Formats: sequence, C-alpha cells, structure tokens
Amino acid sequence: GQQVQQSPASLVLQEGENAELQCNFSTSLNSMQWFYQRPGGSLVSLFYNPSGTKQSGRLTSTTVIKERRSSLHISSSQTTDSGTYLCAGANTGKLTFGHGTILRVHP
Amino acid sequence: EAAVTQSPRNKVAVTGGKVTLSCNQTNNHNNMYWYRQDTGHGLRLIHYSYGAGSTEKGDIPDGYKASRPSQENFSLILELATPSQTSVYFCASGDPISNERLFFGHGTKLSVL
Repeated sequence: GQQVQQSPASLVLQEGENAELQCNFSTSLNSMQWFYQRPGGSLVSLFYNPSGTKQSGRLTSTTVIKERRSSLHISSSQTTDSGTYLCAGANTGKLTFGHGTILRVHP
Repeated sequence: EAAVTQSPRNKVAVTGGKVTLSCNQTNNHNNMYWYRQDTGHGLRLIHYSYGAGSTEKGDIPDGYKASRPSQENFSLILELATPSQTSVYFCASGDPISNERLFFGHGTKLSVL
C-alpha cells in the first residue's frame, strides 16, 4: 500500500480561515518533511520535522512518530498560500512523497 | 541559500531519441536525486546517488540511466525516449537521514512526441 497518505486531497478556504493538513505514514519511514509547490513551480522545503512541533510564522508542523502522523497547520490563510502541500518521509536516504493537498484560498 | 540548477528547462524529444537531463548543485551535498512528477502519481523516485561515482535505482528506474561524475553534477539519461516518459523531472540534493532538508531544482518539462 501507499507509504505516505495525505488528507484532504484538496481544500478551499476563505482568506483568514485556518487549515489543518494531515499526513499518515508507514512504519518504514521517518524524518518527515513538508514542502510547498506553487502551480508549475518547484518544491520549497517548509519543515524538516522528525518529531515534535516546529513553527515558522503562520505555519506549524507537528509530528507524532509513535502514531505515524504529521500535520501542517496554516493560520490566518492568505491568497498567496494557494498551491500544493506535500509531505514526505525518509527511508535509508530515499524520500517518499504523498500525493499532496491542493489548497485554494479565495479573497 | 542552497542552489540546484537543472538544464534544460524545457525539452521536446522524438520517440527513440536520446535525452540527457543535467543537474548541478553548489550545496556540497553527498546525496542527489531524480524524481518525475505526474498527475495522479505525485513525485516518484527514479535514481539517486550517495556521491561521485555512485548511482542507485529508485522506485521506477526502468528506461532511465543516471550518471554522477562529480559531487556537483548528476545526470538523468533516457537512451530510447518513449511518450510515456513525458513528464516534469525534478533534481534534488540533500540528505534526509542526516537532518538535511532536500533542495529542489526548478524542474525540466520533457515532452516526447
């Protein structure tokens, strides 16, 4: 089965609303990372978060290794947050990606 | 900021032709990766490398070869391109195990006609 599962597949928000993106991963993966991709663009690393909580501005990542899950919280969303958010887990140097969550923030 | 540069940015190839995608990194990272991204499949690992002279098969290596002649350069080679290889290809460098984030290039859009 798929080693990294993300939910929801897509999400539509009004500007100012909060978002919670989820990532569940198999036992063979660790060292979770979150990436952001603008349509037609490259991937930008948001967080390297093997465990615990990390915050950067309006973004917060929480990884609970024992429960095999990681989340990305976006507070007070802005239209510029629109794009695809991907999580990925590592296994012996290889990074396996989920299919991503497509986020659209409307003004 | 770490830099990963891919070339070309866009490429149109004919079926059966040879295609070489190039990647250069100035991060002095040991590990480099080639992924392809397709709708419905997400990002899939083709080949990767632990350092100069090494190449390893990823999850979908069939139809692709890789070459790592130096720390900085990592190439992906399609000896006989097929339409099914039409995709966007991303190169990355970093070491996810050693607490290093992955840095990606801007991608190469390949169309095989």
